[in-house]
Amino acid sequence: QSALTQPASVSGSPGQSITISCTGTSSDIGGYNYVSWYQQHPGKAPKLMIYAVSNRPSGVSNRFSGSKSGNTASLTISGLQAEDEADYYCSSYTTSSTPVFGGGTKLTVL
Amino acid sequence: QVQLVQSGAEVKMPGASVKVSCKASGYTFTSSQIHWVRQAPGQGVEWMGIINPSGGSTIYAQKLQGRVTMTRDTSTSAVYMELTSLRSEDTAVYYCARAAGWWAMDYWGQGTLVTVSS
Repeated sequence: QSALTQPASVSGSPGQSITISCTGTSSDIGGYNYVSWYQQHPGKAPKLMIYAVSNRPSGVSNRFSGSKSGNTASLTISGLQAEDEADYYCSSYTTSSTPVFGGGTKLTVL
Repeated sequence: QVQLVQSGAEVKMPGASVKVSCKASGYTFTSSQIHWVRQAPGQGVEWMGIINPSGGSTIYAQKLQGRVTMTRDTSTSAVYMELTSLRSEDTAVYYCARAAGWWAMDYWGQGTLVTVSS
């Protein structure tokens, strides 16, 4: 199962909105509504930010939102803050009955 | 509160094996599956497998089939990940993470660095 495709990096200024894409195939993102997004700060474990495409766990800011269209999922962060600077990973369930992660996107807050 | 506490860092020679533990607390151990995920230095996240603490059933990533074994001990609420025939490419931080449903991972251990070097 090939990794999902994410941009290597994205950037934005405080207060702006950014979107990170995650592209797969009909065998993963396109076939299931089991897309998750994780935030990882340096030296820390990943943190679940979005599950089942667009659901936020308790405690996650409503500035984070997720969506999906066809074989591409997206994570949008609105009202960008300095603390949002981190690596972001998408994940999807696949027809192999296993999950696959994206390569990760480094978000820089300018 | 839900916690997953992993064992400490390991340094292993190529060809050796390593066994990492993950002790769960704050919830009913047998009610949630546990994933294992690893991250090589400066690299992305790689899924390794999942274990159901209730019956012990497992699913492993095809890439690691034959080298990885996941087990559990319900008496101590711990799961274990053993990786054999270690090579330098196995140098990584290994994480356990609780399955949240919808194939998401909601609580993560602190990570265990495994270094494979001669």
